[in-house]
Amino acid sequence: GIQVEQSPPDLILQEGANSTLRCNFSDSVNNLQWFHQNPWGQLINLFYIPSGTKQNGRLSATTVATERYSLLYISSSQTTDSGVYFCAVSTSGTYKYIFGTGTRLKVLA
Amino acid sequence: EAQVTQNPRYLITVTGKKLTVTCSQNMNHEYMSWYRQDPGLGLRQIYYSMNVEVTDKGDVPEGYKVSRKEKRNFPLILESPSPNQTSLYFCASSPIKGLSTDTQYFGPGTRLTVL
Repeated sequence: GIQVEQSPPDLILQEGANSTLRCNFSDSVNNLQWFHQNPWGQLINLFYIPSGTKQNGRLSATTVATERYSLLYISSSQTTDSGVYFCAVSTSGTYKYIFGTGTRLKVLA
Repeated sequence: EAQVTQNPRYLITVTGKKLTVTCSQNMNHEYMSWYRQDPGLGLRQIYYSMNVEVTDKGDVPEGYKVSRKEKRNFPLILESPSPNQTSLYFCASSPIKGLSTDTQYFGPGTRLTVL
């Protein structure tokens, strides 16, 4: 089955810094989503982005489906950005989702 | 308020005692799904449903049952729980979009401990 790898596994930033999180997948996908799990365990959807680029405030995401990767950019990070970031993919012909193991981000004040 | 609700939020039980975790959504979504989250393993899909009476296995279905008799509800049933089913469980829902789904919305999670 498809493999989903996220990097880096852990990231520590000072408040105000920028960061790039990466999601690599081993097969073509028809769906890719990014989620943030906050320190209280709540999972929040960030982007539905099977291809192309989207922006939402300080966050943006780009998926290059032909090269099998997606990037999540966080600019001017804030302490509230701390938590774990997951990407999840689904392949053509299935409604099954595979999650990456996540990037744990800690933003220091 | 649009939301996905799960009950109970916390549950401690003993091996072999049947239990049901309920999931309900008020957004009229066709797609619903159950995941479990374990340290170091991320989220893994247990079962999903594309609509009423249509369900399919995810990556880790063993030991679980589901049913989808109404569009809004998707209960997860553990007929004979075992300690390796101790985990954090999430329910999610989404509209169907073409041959896939749109953004998934997650419930608050159910922390289950099986002794």
